[in-house]
Amino acid sequence: AQSVSQHNHHVILSEAASLELGCNYSYGGTVNLFWYVQYPGQHLQLLLKYFSGDPLVKGIKGFEAEFIKSKFSFNLRKPSVQWSDTAEYFCAVNANNNDMRFGAGTRLTVKP
Amino acid sequence: KAGVTQTPRYLIKTRGQQVTLSCSPISGHRSVSWYQQTPGQGLQFLFEYFSETQRNKGNFPGRFSGRQFSNSRSEMNVSTLELGDSALYLCASSLNSGSINEQFFGPGTRLTVL
Repeated sequence: AQSVSQHNHHVILSEAASLELGCNYSYGGTVNLFWYVQYPGQHLQLLLKYFSGDPLVKGIKGFEAEFIKSKFSFNLRKPSVQWSDTAEYFCAVNANNNDMRFGAGTRLTVKP
Repeated sequence: KAGVTQTPRYLIKTRGQQVTLSCSPISGHRSVSWYQQTPGQGLQFLFEYFSETQRNKGNFPGRFSGRQFSNSRSEMNVSTLELGDSALYLCASSLNSGSINEQFFGPGTRLTVL
């Protein structure tokens, strides 16, 4: 079945640690890829997106993600996390211009 | 520019009742999508409306329905509520339909079914 998988349900890091959150999808065809973040008590907001071109995309707040087509992956990275990055992160895929499908989310806790 | 607004923010209903949730998109946005968010299932797509027409529909039973008005405001209705319908219902608007359009999310309506 077509799906979006985020393998890490809860990640706990100390400040300044590096972050990588995995996202894999099983859709074929043309895909547009997104990472959204939901800070505690706030709305979901877009971190970054990939439509085409350079597979390494940079988003807000120092986040970046790399699209690896052969691996059907779009992992999110940040070299050095801060306490304020504590949030839930959602990977989303829109395949073949259909509806947006989200992963189950990864809760990130950054310890000060 | 005001963001996406959803009303009510919280709702408590009992099994068998019906409920209507409202979403006002960002001014000028013509596409509205609805999602159900639960701890176990994450965000699941319900449907998308564009220019008063349902463009896409997720895998939910017919008890879940929606509509969009000429001013792009949208409502979703759930009839014959079940305990499992308890969730955060999110609305997202975008300028147009299509995957290249960024979606802007509202704060959600927290529905509790007793």
